[in-house]
Amino acid sequence: LAKTTQPISMDSYEGQEVNITCSHNNIATNDYITWYQQFPSQGPRFIIQGYKTKVTNEVASLFIPADRKSSTLSLPRVSLSDTAVYYCLVGRTDSWGKLQFGAGTQVVVTP
Amino acid sequence: DTGVSQDPRHKITKRGQNVTFRCDPISEHNRLYWYRQTLGQGPEFLTYFQNEAQLEKSRLLSDRFSAERPKGSFSTLEIQRTEQGDSAMYLCASRDSTDTQYFGPGTRLTVL
Repeated sequence: LAKTTQPISMDSYEGQEVNITCSHNNIATNDYITWYQQFPSQGPRFIIQGYKTKVTNEVASLFIPADRKSSTLSLPRVSLSDTAVYYCLVGRTDSWGKLQFGAGTQVVVTP
Repeated sequence: DTGVSQDPRHKITKRGQNVTFRCDPISEHNRLYWYRQTLGQGPEFLTYFQNEAQLEKSRLLSDRFSAERPKGSFSTLEIQRTEQGDSAMYLCASRDSTDTQYFGPGTRLTVL
């Protein structure tokens, strides 16, 4: 499973866009990039998944450059409720599917 | 609510006691995972079931840990002779055909 590196923490104000970049230099050809969000005392929640270029859903956008050695999760116009830990994961779809989490990025949104 | 449920949500026990946790996955998901999470860290994989078959176990799962999924539906995780180092959040997840894992709220274990 490819190792990922992401910032330990990020601060933002309400209404701003938050961009979290994750490095995964050893990503394999079959690996997808997945982001999860976790609030205190809750299990992680799937946010978005992508393989290349750009993916957008109602919650976030995921930007993946051509070399796929990094990816950026973009949270538009954050609110206080977006305060959480965000995890970047990289893995193969043909594996057992176990997820390898790092320490994640603690995002704190203030008024 | 048709999400993943876990019971109990909190468990406090004394060192040396046995504890058992239950996970009820989303009904149509045949794949089930257990993870452990300690403070400030991301979840760590413990074990994986496809239907009733336990297909993979992490080295974190010592002999004191056992997991079952007898009918391919709910799963239990038992810890025997608990130690203080077992204190953690135990998370269960189930997976759909798109590879997305849906996590339960977890069981927080405190070993005194």
